[in-house]
Amino acid sequence: KNQVEQSPQSLIILEGKNCTLQCNYTVSPFSNLRWYKQDTGRGPVSLTIMTFSENTKSNGRYTATLDADTKQSSLHITASQLSDSASYICVVSAREYAGNNRKLIWGLGTSLAVNP
Amino acid sequence: GAGVSQSPRYKVAKRGQDVALRCDPISGHVSLFWYQQALGQGPEFLTYFQNEAQLDKSGLPSDRFFAERPEGSVSTLKIQRTQQEDSAVYLCASSLTSGNEQFFGPGTRLTVL
Repeated sequence: KNQVEQSPQSLIILEGKNCTLQCNYTVSPFSNLRWYKQDTGRGPVSLTIMTFSENTKSNGRYTATLDADTKQSSLHITASQLSDSASYICVVSAREYAGNNRKLIWGLGTSLAVNP
Repeated sequence: GAGVSQSPRYKVAKRGQDVALRCDPISGHVSLFWYQQALGQGPEFLTYFQNEAQLDKSGLPSDRFFAERPEGSVSTLKIQRTQQEDSAVYLCASSLTSGNEQFFGPGTRLTVL
């Protein structure tokens, strides 16, 4: 069964610290992996999207990594800010559904709280 | 508009009441998606439109849920005879085509009492 699992479920860090969120997936065959940020009361916003051939992609202070062999991805946040407090969701697309957003497999997300 | 908008932002309904949720996608976006997001969960796909055609409604949980996009732009998700388990945030997303990046609206939080 195609699944996406994220850890930790929740995380509290102090402003200025770094953190790493994990995503493991069993989706096969793999097409792409996306990280979304969802602020409370808002819709998800795309941070990065990576295909099979990419193993790292950055978007400002956010850096995503992908190991397609072990089916793992991580999202690293550098020098966290209060505005980073949000839910971070990992989403995977299977190759047979590439180009079809209807078949995205969503993780449950990691809830990050950045405290002053 | 600059982004996807949804209205109302919050809706409280009594059990058994009908509700209608509106989505205004980004102008020119062909694809429109509705998702249901329960508290602490990721979004779950409900239905998909390409222009005015509803190509996939496999995620609609029951026949009480109905969606339309008659002119290929604004979409309405209607829930008839609401039940408590319908309480969730309903997200709308649009994309240029089915596989392009999705842009989400802020969602409508539905609470059924």
